[in-house]
Order: sequence, then structure tokens, then C-alpha cells
Amino acid sequence: RKEVEQDPGPFNVPEGATVAFNCTYSNSASQSFFWYRQDCRKEPKLLMSVYSSGNEDGRFTAQLNRASQYISLLIRDSKLSDSATYLCVVNPRGSTLGRLYFGRGTQLTVWP
Amino acid sequence: NAGVTQTPKFQVLKTGQSMTLQCAQDMNHNSMYWYRQDPGMGLRLIYYSASEGTTDKGEVPNGYNVSRLNKREFSLRLESAAPSQTSVYFCANREGSESGSPLHFGNGTRLTVT
Repeated sequence: RKEVEQDPGPFNVPEGATVAFNCTYSNSASQSFFWYRQDCRKEPKLLMSVYSSGNEDGRFTAQLNRASQYISLLIRDSKLSDSATYLCVVNPRGSTLGRLYFGRGTQLTVWP
Repeated sequence: NAGVTQTPKFQVLKTGQSMTLQCAQDMNHNSMYWYRQDPGMGLRLIYYSASEGTTDKGEVPNGYNVSRLNKREFSLRLESAAPSQTSVYFCANREGSESGSPLHFGNGTRLTVT
């Protein structure tokens, strides 16, 4: 089983829509969680960290469900500029190499 | 502040040639990483450095060597390039491997080996 799994999509939504992505992880001792955004042929950029109680940053909301071992990202009022690939990243507690595990990404296209 | 800077941005090599990808940070972070990204494969860790003078292999270290001579710089060397090493390479840093802090990436180096 992969450490981190994401639905690759693509998700195609109209402007203004609400869209949600999930990401499951296999290591129950995982400690830190992040969502990154990657535009085509660019580097991944941190979108937001995911906290145990859930957190919000403008139109973006991240949730953590430790019991079911998944994190989610909700985007409200989608903009054309939200079109990108969203990567889920997990940091297991005590991982060797200080290693973080990446999902393969979920592709989102927002159309006018 | 530039953050994490990679050079070159693009490179074309012939099979068997060697080259060094450079990475420098101005964030004073301890940990530095080299990843490669291929279509459908996601990001794969090549090498990692927890601190100056230490390096460890990641998932896909074969064909690569690294050097962490100081806190600021972490270079990746291809001694004899192969077409399978055609990829996009990202350098990243992190405050510390135990801190739970996120990674910060450089702009990437797009390497083609013919």
C-alpha cells in the first residue's frame, strides 16, 4: 500500500463551484500534514499546513481525520487561477531521513 | 530573500557526460533535499542532508552523488548521465527534519539526456 494516496482526477469544475479533494495515508503515527499546489512545469508551493482541529485560509479549508487516516482540502468559490495540481504531503513521526511522503497529486481545472 | 536557488534552469546532456546541479539557500535551514519528478511518478527523493557535512540516500540514489560542503549549498552530481535521468530536478530545504516544518522548493532544473 502506498504511503499517501490521492485521486489523480482530473476534476473539472466551473468558476464559483466548491470542490473537495481527499488524501489517505497509511502510517497512523503521521505527525504533520500539508497541501501543496503545483502549476504546470513549476515547483510545488506550500498552500497550507493541516492542523488537527482543521484550519481555514480564505477560500481554502483543510481538515484532518486521524481515525480514518485522511486529510481533505475544500476550495470554495473556485477561481480560474485555482487550476493546478494539488499535492498532499505527510510527515510520519520518526521517519527516516526526515522524509516526507508525497501523493501523486490531484489535477484541478476551473473553467469559465 | 531568494529562498532556494537552483542553477541551471535547463540543461541538455549527451549520454555519458557529467554535470553538477547547484542549489543554494538563504533561509539558514538545516535540512536540504534533492527530488526528481517524472510524469505519473510524483516526486521521488534522491538524496537528503540533515545538516552540513551529512548526507543520506533516498529512494532513487543510483547514478547520483551529492555534496553538502556548508549549510548554504547542496549540489547534485551526475557522473555519467543516462537517458533515464531525463527529469525535472527540485532542490528543497526544511527548517529541521524533526520540526514538522514544510519543505520549500527551488524553481527546478529541467534536464534532458539524449
